[in-house]
Amino acid sequence: AQSVTQPDIHITVSEGASLELRCNYSYGATPYLFWYVQSPGQGLQLLLKYFSGDTLVQGIKGFEAEFKRSQSSFNLRKPSVHWSDAAEYFCAGTPTDSWGKLQFGAGTQVVVTP
Amino acid sequence: GAGVSQSPRYKVAKRGQDVALRCDPISGHVSLFWYQQALGQGPEFLTYFQNEAQLDKSGLPSDRFFAERPEGSVSTLKIQRTQQEDSAVYLCASSLARTGFFETQYFGPGTRLLVL
Repeated sequence: AQSVTQPDIHITVSEGASLELRCNYSYGATPYLFWYVQSPGQGLQLLLKYFSGDTLVQGIKGFEAEFKRSQSSFNLRKPSVHWSDAAEYFCAGTPTDSWGKLQFGAGTQVVVTP
Repeated sequence: GAGVSQSPRYKVAKRGQDVALRCDPISGHVSLFWYQQALGQGPEFLTYFQNEAQLDKSGLPSDRFFAERPEGSVSTLKIQRTQQEDSAVYLCASSLARTGFFETQYFGPGTRLLVL
């Protein structure tokens, strides 16, 4: 079945340290892939998206993600986290022949310690 | 410009009550999506509209769930005879997408429904 998996439910990182969140996908062909962030009481905000082309995608708030076809992965990274990055992060995907029905992973909760 | 708005933000219902959740998409957005997000889970697709046409309702969990978008703008998700398992956050998203194209979906803040 087509799906997106986030293996890490919870990650704790120190402020100023680097962050990497994992996302694996299972689609027959290269899908469209997205990372969204959700802060408490807020809707989902798009961080970045991959449609095609350059496999290293730059997003907002200093985030980037790398699409790796060989590993069926689309991991999110940030070189130096800020306390305001504490939130829940969702990876999502949809087949390229889809009209837009997104499939989300279960999310990774990021806690930032001083 | 204004983003996607949803109302009410919070709703408490007694089991068996009917509820109606409203979504105002971004002006000019053709496509509208409803998702259900249970506690501790990622959002799950419920239904999709392109203008006023409901093109996919495969994610609606039962016939108690009904969605409409009569004029191709505002949408309402209605849940009849609510059950405790309906407790979740209901997210609405809109996009410019037209058939054959994919556009970014922009999400509203959600309506948190608690059924007692």
